[in-house]
This record gives sequence, C-alpha cells and structure tokens, in this order.
Amino acid sequence: NAGVTQTPKFQVLKTGQSMTLQCAQDMNHEYMSWYRQDPGMGLRLIHYSVGAGITDQGEVPNGYNVSRSTTEDFPLRLLSAAPSQTSVYFCASRGRADTQYFGPGTRLTVL
Amino acid sequence: GENVEQHPSTLSVQEGDSAVIKCTYSDSASNYFPWYKQELGKRPQLIIDIRSNVGEKKDQRIAVTLNKTAKHFSLHITETQPEDSAVYFCAALMGPGTYKYIFGTGTRLKVLA
Repeated sequence: NAGVTQTPKFQVLKTGQSMTLQCAQDMNHEYMSWYRQDPGMGLRLIHYSVGAGITDQGEVPNGYNVSRSTTEDFPLRLLSAAPSQTSVYFCASRGRADTQYFGPGTRLTVL
Repeated sequence: GENVEQHPSTLSVQEGDSAVIKCTYSDSASNYFPWYKQELGKRPQLIIDIRSNVGEKKDQRIAVTLNKTAKHFSLHITETQPEDSAVYFCAALMGPGTYKYIFGTGTRLKVLA
C-alpha cells in the first residue's frame, strides 16, 4: 500500500513549456486534490475531483488543467509554464472520512 | 470569501514549555478542522483533528480546542521537545457537501533546547 505517490520529485521548465505532474493513490479514495505551496501562503487548492470523470476548480486554477479518467490517477497539466508557477505541488486524497493524505510533493522551477 | 487566519506566523519556545497556535475560520458551516505538521522538505502530516460537535480533543501532548460560536480553534502542545520544531498548518473543511479545505498560512515553531 504505497498511499499517494507523485512524480517527478523535481522539475525545471522554461517559460512556455508544458508538462504533466503525475499523482496516483492506491487507497480507492474518491476525492483527490492538487495544492500549491508557496512561502508564507500555506497550501492553496488548485483543482479537485470527487470521482472519476468529475473535477472542479479550487482557489487558484488559472494555468492548470486536470482530468480524472480513473479512480487512481489525477494528473495536473501546466499548459504554458510561467515563472509565477514556480512552487511546490502536493497531491492529496481522502476517502469517505475527512482525513486527507498528501503525496511527497513535486518541486517545480520555471525559468 | 472563505478564509482561515492563523497566528502567530513564528513561535519560539523553550524546551518543556507549552506552545499554542490559534486559527479563525470564516465559514460557519465548516465542520471538520485538521492540524498538520510539516517538517522541512516533507509532506504535511495529520497530527490531530476535531469535528464541530466536539469542543476538545487530546492525544498525548497535543490537544485541540474548538469554539464554534467564535469560530476559533487552537492547537496546544505541552512539554515541547526539539522534534516538535516544524511548520504547523490548520485547515477547515468547508460546509457539508463541499470538498474544499482552506488552509491557514502556517506557524513556524522553534523549540529551543
């Protein structure tokens, strides 16, 4: 039981490049979320999903896309990377109880 | 809008003393309040949580209190140890039927030996 996994751990992009951050969970959780963490700003919700095929926007969705084709996977796509998207990205999941479990994070730098 | 305010942003205490971190939430329909500990370079880890039908919960040296009327909740750490040094985040789950957590901006706790 690996819990929530994320890849890659680190990534450097140039402005304008696109990429996908991967997130997977093996706990059969319905709810999955993406957060970004910036110094002094806590964790801000980007997008979330309440089940396969269902996604919705969080606090800071601009510049990011998500899809949920399976229960296990919830990838986050950066369409055209900008320096303002330099951050640490955490994926999280939770089941019917309210406890959220976080993945190990992806540290992204956009030059 | 929905928000959670957390204070203080930094807190230094002597080893063995107590530490208190306070949060205020805006959505009166919020019903679940977790606290997370995050060590440098690591993921946030749940350390304790409380639901809106409970006023206080304790787990060894850690306790959380909730005042629904004032929309306040607090984390209390007693007999602090150097390994308690970390960043602590409070969060509130927005009203029933939503799936959004709103996080506070974090408190950096330093326990001085």
